[in-house]
Amino acid sequence: TQLLEQSPQFLSIQEGENLTVYCNSSSVFSSLQWYRQEPGEGPVLLVTVVTGGEVKKLKRLTFQFGDARKDSSLHITAAQPGDTGLYLCAGTYNTDKLIFGTGTRLQVFP
Amino acid sequence: GAGVSQSPRYKVAKRGQDVALRCDPISGHVSLFWYQQALGQGPEFLTYFQNEAQLDKSGLPSDRFFAERPEGSVSTLKIQRTQQEDSAVYLCASSRRITNYGYTFGSGTRLTVV
Repeated sequence: TQLLEQSPQFLSIQEGENLTVYCNSSSVFSSLQWYRQEPGEGPVLLVTVVTGGEVKKLKRLTFQFGDARKDSSLHITAAQPGDTGLYLCAGTYNTDKLIFGTGTRLQVFP
Repeated sequence: GAGVSQSPRYKVAKRGQDVALRCDPISGHVSLFWYQQALGQGPEFLTYFQNEAQLDKSGLPSDRFFAERPEGSVSTLKIQRTQQEDSAVYLCASSRRITNYGYTFGSGTRLTVV
């Protein structure tokens, strides 16, 4: 049973547009991670956040961890076709077990 | 090795057949995880090892699923009497003990039960 809800489930945009993906939980995370997965491959770690209110930037990607550590967002500026993929948030709750969200499938058209 | 290696990459099994999926984690990584991923969904937790100890197997769907890591490195996920609903991608991940470092995933084994 997934404890993390992501929205939107699907996103189809043109190159150059901005977008935001949301991840929400009813429980407080110990840590939260964002992954990107391409077809036929395993998820690849983008970032880990652990402190409430934390903001991390990775080139055109900005990750924010909610103050209460129950939600997170991923913002992509000026999306490119190479950003296409399945974006997954995943959290730990006082254990090493990583629980994944439902996923957001992003398609960026040239 | 440099990454997590899984084999085979693809497996087709007839319903009722037993299968074994292998995972070679990154050398020195203490924790090892197995996940099941249905098409278009996020991975679902199956089981977790710390060295050779299986600390959590709450995600295994039935007693037909069994995982082991006898020497604390390579792990095998075994599925007995496979059924069509077992068709999925099985992902393995490893990490250092501290979770904040993140998890490194293998490319997965795609199991198709016909």
